[in-house]
Amino acid sequence: EIVLTQSPGTLSLSPGERATLSCRASQSVSSNYLAWYQQKPGQAPRLLMYGASSRATGIPDRFSGSGSGTDFTLTISRLEPEDFAVYYCQQYGNSPYSFGQGTKLEIK
Amino acid sequence: EVQLVESGGGLVQPGGSLRLSCAASGFTFSNSAMTWVRQAPGKGLEWVSGISVSGGSTYYADSVKGRFTISRDNSKNTLYLQMNSLRAEDTAIYYCAKGYGSGFYRWLFDYWGQGTLVTVSS
Repeated sequence: EIVLTQSPGTLSLSPGERATLSCRASQSVSSNYLAWYQQKPGQAPRLLMYGASSRATGIPDRFSGSGSGTDFTLTISRLEPEDFAVYYCQQYGNSPYSFGQGTKLEIK
Repeated sequence: EVQLVESGGGLVQPGGSLRLSCAASGFTFSNSAMTWVRQAPGKGLEWVSGISVSGGSTYYADSVKGRFTISRDNSKNTLYLQMNSLRAEDTAIYYCAKGYGSGFYRWLFDYWGQGTLVTVSS
């Protein structure tokens, strides 16, 4: 089973700043089958990125993803007020298709 | 518009059973792998179970293997999760989610329902 560890647990930033979220896998993620989701309170998760670096439909270009193997990063270039939420990474290359524990992005 | 509507949650005693349903609309259900993901109160997401388009292949997290059964009825556009031998640690919101595409892309999720709450308590 691939264990995904996200860091930091909480990130406190201001609107307009750059956010960098990390996701580390316990073993290599097949073909970079790594996705990122955003979840706001009381809502279902929303797909942001897949294949480590491809944006899902309708996701603004201030969101970008990078990485390969065991280390992946989600970057939000300039934070908007609506970006403050919890972010999860997920690997979909090997069953069980595990999620990281999440990074909470909060307003400073 | 894609819609996924879960139902069947509620309060159940430890050791009891519950069957969740997820009614799908707005896409070709029989062409999409489907998955159940849960979220314990105040906690993160946990992948629970997935099923192929035909229902011929099913996958489970170790935490539910042998207790939960995923199934689907493509004629009714409905996904199910039969949960037996429920434990307190199964308490969570259960989301159904639609697979994004084919191959490995079946197991990332582009649409989610709003979830149904399952509480296991005496």
